[in-house]
Amino acid sequence: AQSVSQHNHHVILSEAASLELGCNYSYGGTVNLFWYVQYPGQHLQLLLKYFSGDPLVKGIKGFEAEFIKSKFSFNLRKPSVQWSDTAEYFCAVNRAGGSYIPTFGRGTSLIVHP
Amino acid sequence: EAQVTQNPRYLITVTGKKLTVTCSQNMNHEYMSWYRQDPGLGLRQIYYSMNVEVTDKGDVPEGYKVSRKEKRNFPLILESPSPNQTSLYFCASSPSGIGGGSSYNEQFFGPGTRLTVL
Repeated sequence: AQSVSQHNHHVILSEAASLELGCNYSYGGTVNLFWYVQYPGQHLQLLLKYFSGDPLVKGIKGFEAEFIKSKFSFNLRKPSVQWSDTAEYFCAVNRAGGSYIPTFGRGTSLIVHP
Repeated sequence: EAQVTQNPRYLITVTGKKLTVTCSQNMNHEYMSWYRQDPGLGLRQIYYSMNVEVTDKGDVPEGYKVSRKEKRNFPLILESPSPNQTSLYFCASSPSGIGGGSSYNEQFFGPGTRLTVL
């Protein structure tokens, strides 16, 4: 069974600091990858996704993620965080094709101090 | 407005009292699913449905039931709730859940239902 690991459970940054959140998955086949964000008290929203093509994916609000197949990774980055980026971030993985059963990581809680 | 709605948003109940959390989407999505979110455990899938009358177990189905009689609705039923089912529940839908090429579709999440079982 596939699994998703998010190494950083809690991250605390000051505004303007750079952000990188790690995500690794275990499935060896072709995958589709997602990052979702959950702002305090809200539901999950899609930040960005990768399914083919350029491994560097740009999402909303200045976020980007890079798919490195050899490392089974899909790390999320942002050059300069803002207080409004305080949220929980989830990485998710689907096996490409076939049945649609996504696996989510445990989430990373990001707190950005103004 | 395209959305996934859940009701109720908050519920406090007692052990053993049957309850239903409704989920409805207005996007004509085929795929729907239920998750529970617990601190330190992230999102875990309870049940999912590829289409009307097609449902299957996710990672943590014990103690839950679902039905999919109509495309837009996917209620979550707790026949005899227990305190370990205290959690935040999310319903989600996606344009298609069947066949190749569908798995890159993002999921659209409802606002969540916070359930407390005493």
